[in-house]
Amino acid sequence: QVQLVESGGGLVKPGGSLRLSCAASGFSFSDYYMSWIRQAPGKGPEWLSYISTSGSDINYADSVKGQFTVSRDNARNSVYLHMHSLRPEDTAIYYCARVIVVSGLFDFWGQGMLVTVSS
Amino acid sequence: EIVMTQSPAALSVSPGERATLSCRASQSVSSNLAWYQHKYGQAPRLLIYHVSTRATGVPARFSGSGSGTEFTLTISSLQSEDFAIYYCQQYNNWLSITFGQGTRLEIK
Repeated sequence: QVQLVESGGGLVKPGGSLRLSCAASGFSFSDYYMSWIRQAPGKGPEWLSYISTSGSDINYADSVKGQFTVSRDNARNSVYLHMHSLRPEDTAIYYCARVIVVSGLFDFWGQGMLVTVSS
Repeated sequence: EIVMTQSPAALSVSPGERATLSCRASQSVSSNLAWYQHKYGQAPRLLIYHVSTRATGVPARFSGSGSGTEFTLTISSLQSEDFAIYYCQQYNNWLSITFGQGTRLEIK
């Protein structure tokens, strides 16, 4: 079955950096766009980024453009979220999700990884 | 950015009863509207897309309706496993998707 497992979260100080990983299994990873989505406490989910099947095409929400970078390694069935210059408002649960074709729909999500930005 | 507003924020319903959840878009999203179910500690689950198409494995008691800016998710006869938070999402422009803030469905 499809599984997405995030790792790498935790507590980081303001201005710090963190890399989240998402390990995929149960499907042909290289055939799918992948996405990162976050949910801050008390708020709805917020889409952050898409990455194409090859990794050559990447899109970001304006809120994280220039601050976050997404990459993938199809040999390792993994997608990554590199977060820099973190601020307290970046505190959230971060999810990776599989994208249905190029639709804006997410048919499978991971369980999420908490990132807390605090001094 | 299209703002999605869900109501009510929380809804208490008894098992076996019907639940009706609403979602309003700040501008038309055509039929590009989806619903997700999220249980605490679990991965969110796609329930419905294109307003009314159930995702694979979703029971028939879940149904969606609406168009343009007003949408509804109806659960016809609540089961214990249906108590969760439900989010609507618009994907009218796949590079500018937005979610609602959620409706918490609670056991009465």
